[in-house]
Amino acid sequence: GAVVSQHPSRVICKSGTSVKIECRSLDFQATTMFWYRQFPKQSLMLMATSNEGSKATYEQGVEKDKFLINHASLTLSTLTVTSAHPEDSSFYICSARDLTGRELFFGSGTQLSVL
Amino acid sequence: GESVGLHLPTLSVQEGDNSIINCAYSNSASDYFIWYKQESGKGPQFIIDIRSNMDKRQGQRVTVLLNKTVKHLSLQIAATQPGDSAVYFCAENYFYGKLTFGQGTILTVHP
Repeated sequence: GAVVSQHPSRVICKSGTSVKIECRSLDFQATTMFWYRQFPKQSLMLMATSNEGSKATYEQGVEKDKFLINHASLTLSTLTVTSAHPEDSSFYICSARDLTGRELFFGSGTQLSVL
Repeated sequence: GESVGLHLPTLSVQEGDNSIINCAYSNSASDYFIWYKQESGKGPQFIIDIRSNMDKRQGQRVTVLLNKTVKHLSLQIAATQPGDSAVYFCAENYFYGKLTFGQGTILTVHP
């Protein structure tokens, strides 16, 4: 099956620094990628929808200046958490929709811990 | 038994029992539904899906039932095994748009 690679799997950073998370579709092209956030023992909450070559669409309540999303190619989307604070600590998961629009594949997630 | 905690509800079963996990979805226009399994520290893993023009779909050891009248989904796992222990989420989708996840249920299978 199709593979979505998410990197890094775990990152620890100091408060105030920025962290970039990469999401790559390895064997298929994805015009649309989604970024989710998940707190412990809670469901996945959609943060934004990333479309190749255009600006991301953010869900209500998600700060677009804090969570920068870039989808520069059909196989790569990045999420940058800027000026990270401890409350940004969470599990971030990306998913990619293939060109048919029917299949959705998930990355393995990134655990961000901000000290 | 099944209980609702502060966050995710839990379901505890014995190995070999059948498990039923329930989910209420929100959008009556949703036309595609998916069940995912998530193990600790990992991304969601696809289990089974169903389109709104169906009310039942079977896979290997799993069955999904859809009741559009009451906006309810269920996942039935036959002969539950310890390896089935995980968090299970339903998700709904409208016309290939964004996927919205349900609350999730923690399934614990005791040997």
